[in-house]
Amino acid sequence: QVQLQESGPGLVKPSETLSLTCAVSGYSISSGYYWGWIRQPPGKGLEWIGSIYYTGNTYYNPSLKSRVTISIDTSNNQFSLKLTSVTATDTAIYYCARVSTTGGGGVDYWGQGTLVTVSS
Amino acid sequence: SYEVTQSPSVSVSPGQTASITCSGDKLGDKYVCWYQQKPGQSPVLVIYQDTKRPSGIPERFSGSNSGNTATLTISGTQAMDEADYYCQAWDSTTAFVFGGGTKLTVL
Repeated sequence: QVQLQESGPGLVKPSETLSLTCAVSGYSISSGYYWGWIRQPPGKGLEWIGSIYYTGNTYYNPSLKSRVTISIDTSNNQFSLKLTSVTATDTAIYYCARVSTTGGGGVDYWGQGTLVTVSS
Repeated sequence: SYEVTQSPSVSVSPGQTASITCSGDKLGDKYVCWYQQKPGQSPVLVIYQDTKRPSGIPERFSGSNSGNTATLTISGTQAMDEADYYCQAWDSTTAFVFGGGTKLTVL
Protein backbone atom coordinates (compact mmCIF):
# COMPACT_ATOMS: atom_id res chain seq x y z
CA GLN A 1 0.00 0.00 0.00
CA VAL A 2 1.47 3.32 -1.09
CA GLN A 3 1.58 5.91 1.68
CA LEU A 4 2.72 9.52 1.61
CA GLN A 5 3.41 11.63 4.68
CA GLU A 6 4.09 15.36 4.70
CA SER A 7 6.30 16.95 7.33
CA GLY A 8 7.55 20.43 8.06
CA PRO A 9 6.82 23.60 10.05
CA GLY A 10 3.18 24.49 10.54
CA LEU A 11 3.95 28.18 10.93
CA VAL A 12 6.09 30.30 8.63
CA LYS A 13 6.74 34.03 8.86
CA PRO A 14 5.92 36.34 5.95
CA SER A 15 8.77 36.76 3.44
CA GLU A 16 10.42 33.55 4.62
CA THR A 17 10.68 30.19 2.87
CA LEU A 18 8.17 27.38 3.32
CA SER A 19 9.84 23.96 3.30
CA LEU A 20 8.05 20.63 3.32
CA THR A 21 9.13 17.04 2.81
CA CYS A 22 7.06 14.06 1.69
CA ALA A 23 8.16 10.60 2.79
CA VAL A 24 6.92 7.79 0.57
CA SER A 25 6.47 4.22 1.76
CA GLY A 26 5.21 1.13 -0.02
CA TYR A 27 6.65 2.21 -3.36
CA SER A 28 10.08 3.20 -4.63
CA ILE A 29 9.89 6.68 -6.12
CA SER A 30 12.61 5.77 -8.59
CA SER A 31 10.35 3.08 -10.05
CA GLY A 32 8.29 5.65 -11.90
CA TYR A 33 5.41 8.10 -11.56
CA TYR A 34 5.61 11.80 -11.02
CA TRP A 35 5.54 13.12 -7.46
CA GLY A 36 3.77 16.35 -6.81
CA TRP A 37 2.52 19.03 -4.46
CA ILE A 38 -1.01 20.41 -4.37
CA ARG A 39 -2.39 22.95 -1.94
CA GLN A 40 -5.80 24.02 -0.68
CA PRO A 41 -6.43 27.27 1.20
CA PRO A 42 -8.85 26.75 4.09
CA GLY A 43 -12.38 26.45 2.74
CA LYS A 44 -11.25 26.87 -0.86
CA GLY A 45 -10.35 24.78 -3.90
CA LEU A 46 -7.30 22.81 -4.99
CA GLU A 47 -4.25 24.33 -6.67
CA TRP A 48 -1.50 22.33 -8.36
CA ILE A 49 1.95 23.57 -7.35
CA GLY A 50 4.22 21.30 -9.35
CA SER A 51 5.53 17.80 -10.01
CA ILE A 52 8.86 16.03 -10.33
CA TYR A 53 9.97 12.81 -12.00
CA TYR A 54 12.56 10.60 -10.37
CA THR A 55 15.07 11.75 -12.97
CA GLY A 56 14.68 15.27 -11.62
CA ASN A 57 12.54 16.70 -14.43
CA THR A 58 10.16 19.25 -12.95
CA TYR A 59 6.91 20.91 -14.00
CA TYR A 60 5.62 23.94 -12.14
CA ASN A 61 2.40 25.94 -12.05
CA PRO A 62 3.28 29.06 -14.09
CA SER A 63 1.71 31.29 -11.44
CA LEU A 64 4.11 29.97 -8.77
CA LYS A 65 7.11 29.03 -10.87
CA SER A 66 9.29 31.94 -9.81
CA ARG A 67 9.01 30.96 -6.13
CA VAL A 68 8.87 27.15 -6.22
CA THR A 69 11.52 24.46 -6.15
CA ILE A 70 10.68 20.75 -5.97
CA SER A 71 13.50 18.30 -5.43
CA ILE A 72 13.75 14.54 -5.08
CA ASP A 73 15.88 12.29 -2.85
CA THR A 74 15.68 8.77 -4.21
CA SER A 75 18.09 7.38 -1.61
CA ASN A 76 15.64 8.31 1.17
CA ASN A 77 12.52 7.79 -0.94
CA GLN A 78 11.27 11.31 -0.40
CA PHE A 79 10.74 14.57 -2.20
CA SER A 80 10.54 18.17 -1.06
CA LEU A 81 8.94 21.52 -1.68
CA LYS A 82 10.40 24.97 -1.16
CA LEU A 83 8.26 28.08 -1.63
CA THR A 84 10.04 31.38 -1.16
CA SER A 85 8.83 34.84 -0.15
CA VAL A 86 5.60 33.57 1.36
CA THR A 87 2.64 35.79 2.22
CA ALA A 88 -0.65 35.17 3.98
CA THR A 89 -2.14 33.99 0.69
CA ASP A 90 0.17 30.97 0.85
CA THR A 91 -1.64 29.74 3.96
CA ALA A 92 -3.08 26.38 2.96
CA ILE A 93 -3.22 22.66 3.48
CA TYR A 94 -0.32 21.27 1.47
CA TYR A 95 -0.72 17.77 0.03
CA CYS A 96 1.97 15.62 -1.47
CA ALA A 97 0.81 13.17 -4.09
CA ARG A 98 1.67 10.48 -6.62
CA VAL A 99 0.88 11.57 -10.16
CA SER A 100 0.34 9.22 -13.04
CA THR A 101 2.85 9.33 -15.88
CA THR A 102 0.04 8.38 -18.24
CA GLY A 103 -1.45 11.52 -19.70
CA GLY A 104 -4.65 12.34 -17.88
CA GLY A 105 -4.12 9.61 -15.33
CA GLY A 106 -4.48 12.00 -12.43
CA VAL A 107 -3.39 11.72 -8.82
CA ASP A 108 -3.97 8.27 -7.41
CA TYR A 109 -2.40 8.61 -3.96
CA TRP A 110 -2.49 11.62 -1.64
CA GLY A 111 -0.87 12.39 1.66
CA GLN A 112 -3.09 13.39 4.57
CA GLY A 113 -2.11 17.02 4.10
CA THR A 114 -0.39 19.45 6.42
CA LEU A 115 -1.65 22.91 7.31
CA VAL A 116 0.90 25.66 6.87
CA THR A 117 0.00 29.07 8.24
CA VAL A 118 1.89 32.18 7.18
CA SER A 119 1.82 34.68 10.00
CA SER A 120 4.18 36.78 12.05
CA SER B 1 -3.61 30.67 -18.51
CA TYR B 2 -6.15 27.91 -18.99
CA GLU B 3 -9.18 27.82 -16.69
CA VAL B 4 -12.01 25.40 -16.00
CA THR B 5 -15.27 26.38 -14.35
CA GLN B 6 -17.65 24.43 -12.12
CA SER B 7 -21.01 25.34 -10.65
CA PRO B 8 -20.62 25.97 -6.91
CA SER B 9 -23.35 23.59 -5.85
CA VAL B 10 -25.63 20.79 -7.01
CA SER B 11 -28.47 19.16 -5.09
CA VAL B 12 -29.96 15.72 -5.70
CA SER B 13 -32.45 13.43 -4.00
CA PRO B 14 -31.28 10.00 -2.84
CA GLY B 15 -31.55 7.43 -5.62
CA GLN B 16 -31.62 10.05 -8.36
CA THR B 17 -28.91 10.96 -10.87
CA ALA B 18 -26.51 13.80 -10.14
CA SER B 19 -24.69 15.59 -12.94
CA ILE B 20 -21.71 17.81 -12.15
CA THR B 21 -20.23 19.78 -15.01
CA CYS B 22 -16.83 21.30 -15.76
CA SER B 23 -16.44 23.84 -18.56
CA GLY B 24 -13.43 25.15 -20.42
CA ASP B 25 -12.37 26.19 -23.90
CA LYS B 26 -12.01 23.06 -26.04
CA LEU B 27 -11.99 20.98 -22.89
CA GLY B 28 -12.83 17.93 -24.98
CA ASP B 29 -9.31 18.12 -26.44
CA LYS B 30 -7.84 17.59 -22.99
CA TYR B 31 -8.08 14.80 -20.46
CA VAL B 32 -10.29 15.33 -17.42
CA CYS B 33 -10.11 13.71 -14.00
CA TRP B 34 -12.60 13.99 -11.16
CA TYR B 35 -11.89 13.93 -7.44
CA GLN B 36 -14.22 13.50 -4.48
CA GLN B 37 -13.33 15.25 -1.23
CA LYS B 38 -15.22 14.79 2.02
CA PRO B 39 -14.76 17.20 4.95
CA GLY B 40 -11.42 16.84 6.66
CA GLN B 41 -10.18 14.24 4.17
CA SER B 42 -7.78 14.17 1.25
CA PRO B 43 -9.28 14.05 -2.24
CA VAL B 44 -9.98 10.70 -3.87
CA LEU B 45 -9.69 10.06 -7.61
CA VAL B 46 -13.04 8.81 -8.95
CA ILE B 47 -12.59 9.27 -12.72
CA TYR B 48 -9.45 9.56 -14.86
CA GLN B 49 -8.86 9.97 -18.58
CA ASP B 50 -12.40 11.32 -18.98
CA THR B 51 -14.25 8.04 -18.47
CA LYS B 52 -12.20 5.50 -16.53
CA ARG B 53 -12.86 4.41 -12.95
CA PRO B 54 -10.00 3.49 -10.63
CA SER B 55 -10.22 0.18 -8.83
CA GLY B 56 -12.62 0.36 -5.92
CA ILE B 57 -14.74 3.21 -7.25
CA PRO B 58 -18.41 2.20 -7.56
CA GLU B 59 -19.93 1.76 -11.02
CA ARG B 60 -22.47 4.49 -10.29
CA PHE B 61 -19.69 7.02 -11.01
CA SER B 62 -19.17 7.75 -14.70
CA GLY B 63 -17.62 10.51 -16.76
CA SER B 64 -17.78 12.06 -20.20
CA ASN B 65 -15.95 14.86 -21.99
CA SER B 66 -16.81 16.52 -25.28
CA GLY B 67 -16.70 19.98 -26.77
CA ASN B 68 -16.32 22.50 -23.97
CA THR B 69 -17.87 20.43 -21.19
CA ALA B 70 -16.93 17.44 -19.07
CA THR B 71 -19.56 15.78 -16.90
CA LEU B 72 -19.37 13.59 -13.83
CA THR B 73 -22.53 11.54 -13.45
CA ILE B 74 -23.51 9.73 -10.28
CA SER B 75 -26.35 7.30 -10.84
CA GLY B 76 -28.47 6.20 -7.91
CA THR B 77 -26.86 8.81 -5.67
CA GLN B 78 -26.38 7.76 -2.07
CA ALA B 79 -26.02 9.83 1.06
CA MET B 80 -22.36 8.80 1.24
CA ASP B 81 -21.76 10.60 -2.07
CA GLU B 82 -22.31 13.99 -0.46
CA ALA B 83 -18.98 15.74 -0.88
CA ASP B 84 -17.07 18.36 -2.84
CA TYR B 85 -16.14 17.31 -6.36
CA TYR B 86 -13.26 18.81 -8.32
CA CYS B 87 -12.53 18.45 -12.00
CA GLN B 88 -8.94 18.61 -13.20
CA ALA B 89 -7.90 19.17 -16.78
CA TRP B 90 -4.64 17.97 -18.24
CA ASP B 91 -2.73 18.16 -21.44
CA SER B 92 0.92 18.40 -22.26
CA THR B 93 0.83 22.19 -22.46
CA THR B 94 -1.42 23.18 -19.57
CA ALA B 95 -0.36 20.41 -17.19
CA PHE B 96 -2.69 20.37 -14.17
CA VAL B 97 -5.61 22.78 -13.82
CA PHE B 98 -8.28 22.31 -11.16
CA GLY B 99 -11.81 23.62 -11.23
CA GLY B 100 -13.15 25.55 -8.28
CA GLY B 101 -15.16 22.60 -6.99
CA THR B 102 -18.84 21.69 -6.73
CA LYS B 103 -20.55 20.92 -3.46
CA LEU B 104 -22.93 18.00 -3.92
CA THR B 105 -25.80 17.92 -1.45
CA VAL B 106 -27.93 14.80 -1.17
CA LEU B 107 -31.28 15.95 0.19
